[in-house]
Amino acid sequence: GAGVSQSPSNKVTEKGKDVELRCDPISGHTALYWYRQSLGQGLEFLIYFQGNSAPDKSGLPSDRFSAERTGGSVSTLTIQRTQQEDSAVYLCASGTNGGRTEAFFGQGTRLTVV
Amino acid sequence: RKEVEQDPGPFNVPEGATVAFNCTYSNSASQSFFWYRQDCRKEPKLLMSVYSSGNEDGRFTAQLNRASQYISLLIRDSKLSDSATYLCVVNIIGGNKLVFGAGTILRVKS
Repeated sequence: GAGVSQSPSNKVTEKGKDVELRCDPISGHTALYWYRQSLGQGLEFLIYFQGNSAPDKSGLPSDRFSAERTGGSVSTLTIQRTQQEDSAVYLCASGTNGGRTEAFFGQGTRLTVV
Repeated sequence: RKEVEQDPGPFNVPEGATVAFNCTYSNSASQSFFWYRQDCRKEPKLLMSVYSSGNEDGRFTAQLNRASQYISLLIRDSKLSDSATYLCVVNIIGGNKLVFGAGTILRVKS
């Protein structure tokens, strides 16, 4: 597709379950970012990939959060043992040259932990 | 101190008004700067990049002051459709991550 694609668009899960969120970046984009946004709040940086490596994972809030990227393309963000405070919109963005150029966002995954 | 700070607003202005938003950043080594726009319950979308010499795109003008570590966005002749949250974004050197300000809310009213 032409843009960044994220799936699922909505996810409701029970507290304590694991979830996987997927991001398909724009073809050819080497940089990939994950952010999360709680209701009415700003964007919180989670992790940055350049190719398949993650030079900056400083924003992951706890060891329950992990992310990987394979083939320099698709990325998966995994949250283990979900908690209610994990409820947020998880946004993925991709770009061509790390932070030096603009990033383009997918529509996000709205995660609700009940 | 936050890496990127913005006045949260909201700025309530009538149609046709000129409005300016400011943003300050803390890391003097920051290299790239952007303004994004985010509509309610939507993803952020790039509005414009900010260049050292300043740049203009139609009704929108962006300025960068490296000495003061300050970025601005000026919107002329505001339209109802300009109502949104405007996000200041800075590239932090070393981490190569894009850091977003919390955003400034603009409401344009008829």
